[in-house]
Amino acid sequence: EMRLVESGGGLVQPGGSLRLSCAASGFSMRDYWMHWVRQGPGKGLVWVARIKGDGSSLAYGDSVKGRFTISRDTAKNTVDLQVNSLRLDDTALYYCVRANCRNKNAFDVWGQGTMVTVSS
Amino acid sequence: QSALTQPPSASGSPGQSVTISCTGTSSDFGGYDYVSWYQQYPGKAPKLLVFEVNKRPSGVPDRFSGSKSGNTASLTVSGLQAEDEADYYCSSFAGGDMLYVFGTGTTVTVL
Repeated sequence: EMRLVESGGGLVQPGGSLRLSCAASGFSMRDYWMHWVRQGPGKGLVWVARIKGDGSSLAYGDSVKGRFTISRDTAKNTVDLQVNSLRLDDTALYYCVRANCRNKNAFDVWGQGTMVTVSS
Repeated sequence: QSALTQPPSASGSPGQSVTISCTGTSSDFGGYDYVSWYQQYPGKAPKLLVFEVNKRPSGVPDRFSGSKSGNTASLTVSGLQAEDEADYYCSSFAGGDMLYVFGTGTTVTVL
């Protein structure tokens, strides 16, 4: 069974940092584009960042560019999201998601999410 | 990267059909048919319903169908069932940078 499990969320003050991690099982992240998508409380889905399977290509949403960094560890089959300079509006459930080229890069496997709360 | 525009809500009686629109710009869709739709129940992660405009992953009922015309994509849920009451999101990406965008989301209510 293909599965994604996120960790690393928590309560942090504005301006603080966290490192979110996502562990995959049942498949190799090296073969897929991996993404982070977030959802604020009672709000819609927002695409955050993505990394190509071989790590050669990264991209970010406008609202996080320059503050968030996506990376992956092939040996551990994990993808991380370093979130810095956190703002109140970064409060959200952060999902790790797999994009499948067989589905024209639609998001076919989702984790359950890790909650980031930014508050003073 | 502005969100794609969806109606906030849609509703129908059991057995009826409901159609949700998803409107963007030409740059959002980039001339590609990389539109996907997701269903999300409260407190749950989203689930892929439709990809490449009108294709369904295995296990998704054929009551769910997608289409696209110009800069507007649509999801139709036919033969509404109580279990279809959920939030629905469209998504697309375009260009060599593969930057994604989601729709604003639509809450479907089965009357």
